[in-house]
This record gives sequence, structure tokens and C-alpha cells, in this order.
Amino acid sequence: DQQVKQNSPSLSVQEGRISILNCDYTNSMFDYFLWYKKYPAEGPTFLISISSIKDKNEDGRFTVFLNKSAKHLSLHIVPSQPGDSAVYFCAASTNAGKSTFGDGTTLTVKP
Amino acid sequence: NAGVTQTPKFRILKIGQSMTLQCAQDMNHNYMYWYRQDPGMGLKLIYYSVGAGITDKGEVPNGYNVSRSTTEDFPLRLELAAPSQTSVYFCASSYPDRSAGELFFGEGSRLTVL
Repeated sequence: DQQVKQNSPSLSVQEGRISILNCDYTNSMFDYFLWYKKYPAEGPTFLISISSIKDKNEDGRFTVFLNKSAKHLSLHIVPSQPGDSAVYFCAASTNAGKSTFGDGTTLTVKP
Repeated sequence: NAGVTQTPKFRILKIGQSMTLQCAQDMNHNYMYWYRQDPGMGLKLIYYSVGAGITDKGEVPNGYNVSRSTTEDFPLRLELAAPSQTSVYFCASSYPDRSAGELFFGEGSRLTVL
């Protein structure tokens, strides 16, 4: 049973437009939700997080929204840039420090 | 500041061989983890440690062993390599008490078992 799901394997957007990446989860006990970005042949790097008691967190061009009733979160990137092209992983963590990852969404931003 | 360092970056093993993937971090993080990533999939937790001398199994521990004798080092041991262990392995560390538990990853070790 996959507790964190990213149902879109890929997303393609035009430079300057908004990118919206989605993630669903099943476990109500998660404390934090995080997004990581991964370039080929590199390790994932942390992008942004949101506490389970919040519904929005913003950091520059990146905003994460959390809808607890729907067990759904999304990452908005505005405006999208070609350098944002990467694989984005959604993850959920408990206060025990363990994180569960989705399968990732490959974002391609076209110039 | 090196962060999380993994060695080797690439390795080819024959079925039945053994090897150790090394991981070291210099951020004084208590928590360390080993994940594997298969093609097109997310990261699966193999083992984790909340401090020196303490380790526990994750989601996919079979075929692996770990030890944590110091805060800095967390090696992953494969005793009898099998083709199913062909994957990219990522070591990570975190300090959950001070943050959302964001993980700091190494660059990965690509292992092929033939």
C-alpha cells in the first residue's frame, strides 16, 4: 500500500507559466510534507516543506498548499524557468524522522 | 563543508559477492538513512539510525546490514549480492528535532549486480 502517491509521471509547461505538481497521501499521522528536487546523477535536494497544521507555505517562486480533508498537497512554481526542469518528489514525514516518498514527477519547462 | 559523502559512486558486482557502501556526514546530524531508488520509482527506506549504536529496519531491509559506531559514519553492507539489488543507493542525514525533518542526501552510489 503506497502511502504517498504522485499520479502524474510527467508534466511539461512553457517558460513563464505556472507549474502545478500534485501529491496524495493516505496516512493522517504525517507531521510534515516536503518536496525535493532531483537532477540526473545527483542526490535529491530539499525544496520546501509544510507542517500538517498549516495550509500554505511560500518561499519565493515556490508555494506548497495542503488540503488535509482531501489528503492532498500541491507544489506551485511561478514563474517556471528552464532550470526548474527536474524530477520532483513529494515526501511525508513523522516525528520519528522517517520519510515516505512518492514515485516522482518529471517536470520539463520549455523555453 | 562536504555535507553527506558516499563512496563508491559506481560499482559492478557479480552475484554472490559482498561489498560495503560507505557514507559519512559532517553536519553532526543524529539521524542517518539509507534509501534505494529503482528506475521510475521513488525512494524506499532500507535502514535508518537515530544515533550511534542504534539502528532499525526500514521498508526494504532484506539482503542488507548496517552499523553505526560513530555519529559521522553509517555504512551499508550487502552480503550476498543479487540482481534485485541493482539500484541507486542514497545515504541521507537529518536533525528532526530542529526542523521539518528535511533530509540531506549524498550524490548516490550506482550498483549493478550481474
